[in-house]
Order: sequence, then structure tokens, then C-alpha cells
Amino acid sequence: DAKTTQPPSMDCAEGRAANLPCNHSTISGNEYVYWYRQIHSQGPQYIIHGLKNNETNEMASLIITEDRKSSTLILPHATLRDTAVYYCIVRVAHSGGSNYKLTFGKGTLLTVNP
Amino acid sequence: DVKVTQSSRYLVKRTGEKVFLECVQDMDHENMFWYRQDPGLGLRLIYFSYDVKMKEKGDIPEGYSVSREKKERFSLILESASTNQTSMYLCASSIGQGSVKNEQFFGPGTRLTVL
Repeated sequence: DAKTTQPPSMDCAEGRAANLPCNHSTISGNEYVYWYRQIHSQGPQYIIHGLKNNETNEMASLIITEDRKSSTLILPHATLRDTAVYYCIVRVAHSGGSNYKLTFGKGTLLTVNP
Repeated sequence: DVKVTQSSRYLVKRTGEKVFLECVQDMDHENMFWYRQDPGLGLRLIYFSYDVKMKEKGDIPEGYSVSREKKERFSLILESASTNQTSMYLCASSIGQGSVKNEQFFGPGTRLTVL
């Protein structure tokens, strides 16, 4: 799986957009970008994933650069409950055996301030 | 809603004890995983299973074993607990082949302290 690089921490004001960057310069053509987050004292939670097109769901938007070497997770109107560690993970989407596992890095601690 | 439950939120054991951590999922998922999480090290995969009675080692399997006798249940076993196994243990499950989303659903975690 390709390696990802994220800033260790970021701050955001409540109600503003939070833009979390991720670099994955060694991503290969069949690897997807996945984002998870982990709120304190809870297990990680899936947010969104994408291959090359921008994606949006009820939680967030994912913007992937044209060369796919980096991406940005956007929380359009951050709330205090969005304070969490956000993980960017790159891996193949589906195949058998060991390719189902996720490799979590250290992520970005996003703190949303009132 | 998918539910992944773990047998205990907090557990305290003594060095040398045999410890069982149980995980149950209710969505008929093929894949199940055990991770541990430590400050500064993030989540690390211990073992996973993609079918009943099947298991594969993750990144840090030493000192652990697993059992999957039924599809919904995945057990993590510490044969002889040691203090360096004090950690937060997280179980997860995901659907099998054919899902691009490949979303993993996590349980609430078990905080194990080995004295």
C-alpha cells in the first residue's frame, strides 16, 4: 500500500470549513483513497473514499488532485463534535485475502474551537 | 445499523494470565480484524480473518492468537499476558469481496491493563 503523509495537527473555528490535506505521491493506479476518523474513546469511523473523481457524501467532500498524488478532506461546516483524529489511507479497493486490511498512520488531530 | 460489540470496555489482568477478548458482529460480515492502539504508535493490526476458521497474521501477531469458529465471533487470545500488552484493543468487521467501499466497522474498544 502507498504511504501517506498528513500534518500531525490542525485547528479550525466552529462553523468554518476544515480542509485536511494528505500526500500520497506513490499511489498506484488501482489504489483508492480512504478517510476515517476517530473521536476520543471511540473506534474509528469510515468517512469517505475515492479513486480519482471528487466525492461528496453527508459527512464530507473528498478532493483528489488530477495526478492523484494528494487529496483534501473537506468538512464544510465544522462543529465541536468533529474534533477527532483523521486518517488518510491508500489501498486497493477489493481483492482476496490480505488486501482487505487497512494500515492506519498517525493521522491528523483536528481541533474545532468555539 | 451494523453493530460490533466487544465483551468488556475495561479489563485488568495479571502477568501470566490467559486472556480472552471477544468480538461479535451482527451484519454477517466475512472479514474481522483485531487491532491494538497505543499512544504515538497509532492502530496496528494484530490478526484478521476473512472466513470462518481462516486467519492471517497482521503486523504484530507475536504473543497473540485468534479463533473464529463462527462467522459472527472473532476472539483474540493472550496466552500469557505481559505488561507490554497493556493497550486499547479494537475489533472491526467488513463485508467480503465485491465491495469497493470496503468499510470497516469498529467496536468501542477494550482497554486492557496487565499488572
